Amino acid sequence: GAGVSQSPRYKVAKRGQDVALRCDPISGHVSLFWYQQALGQGPEFLTYFQNEAQLDKSGLPSDRFFAERPEGSVSTLKIQRTQQEDSAVYLCASSSGQGVNTEAFFGQGTRLTVV
Amino acid sequence: GDSVTQMEGPVTLSEEAFLTINCTYTATGYPSLFWYVQYPGEGLQLLLKATKADDKGSNKGFEATYRKETTSFHLEKGSVQVSDSAVYFCALSDRTNQGGKLIFGQGTELSVKP
Repeated sequence: GAGVSQSPRYKVAKRGQDVALRCDPISGHVSLFWYQQALGQGPEFLTYFQNEAQLDKSGLPSDRFFAERPEGSVSTLKIQRTQQEDSAVYLCASSSGQGVNTEAFFGQGTRLTVV
Repeated sequence: GDSVTQMEGPVTLSEEAFLTINCTYTATGYPSLFWYVQYPGEGLQLLLKATKADDKGSNKGFEATYRKETTSFHLEKGSVQVSDSAVYFCALSDRTNQGGKLIFGQGTELSVKP
């Protein structure tokens, strides 16, 4: 596709359920990032992949959060035993390089609501 | 740790008014600075960037100058349009971080009235 695609766009989960959020980056993009955006706040970094390697997961808030990118393309962010504080928009971004001068392209996000 | 602080919104202006959105940062290294924009119903888009002191980023009539002495990167536009209504995010990236991960401010909502 032309841009970063995320699915589903909206997800409602009952507290305690597991969820999986998908990101399709721009074809050929090496770097992939996940961010969490709470209502009225700026995005906060969760994790970073370079190809299939997860090089930075310092932003994952707990061990209930897990991300993978097994073939260096599509990525999945999984949240186990969801809690109400997990309600947020989850953004995925990809870029063609790995430096600060490489533009990151963002998807529209997945809005997760935990009830 | 590194952080970004933006002026709080919402900011409401009339069409053709002058816009300033303040942004200041704290960083241990020498970051690159960015402004992103999020139009209603769309994803974040890079608006402009600057990678070293005194650089001026510009795009679509918006400008911001990297001021190392005041640790600021204020966004300006001389004459706003209704179509500029959006949420604007200031961000930095520590150049020592090979991943180029971004640290964002909290966002400033701009509403332009005709």
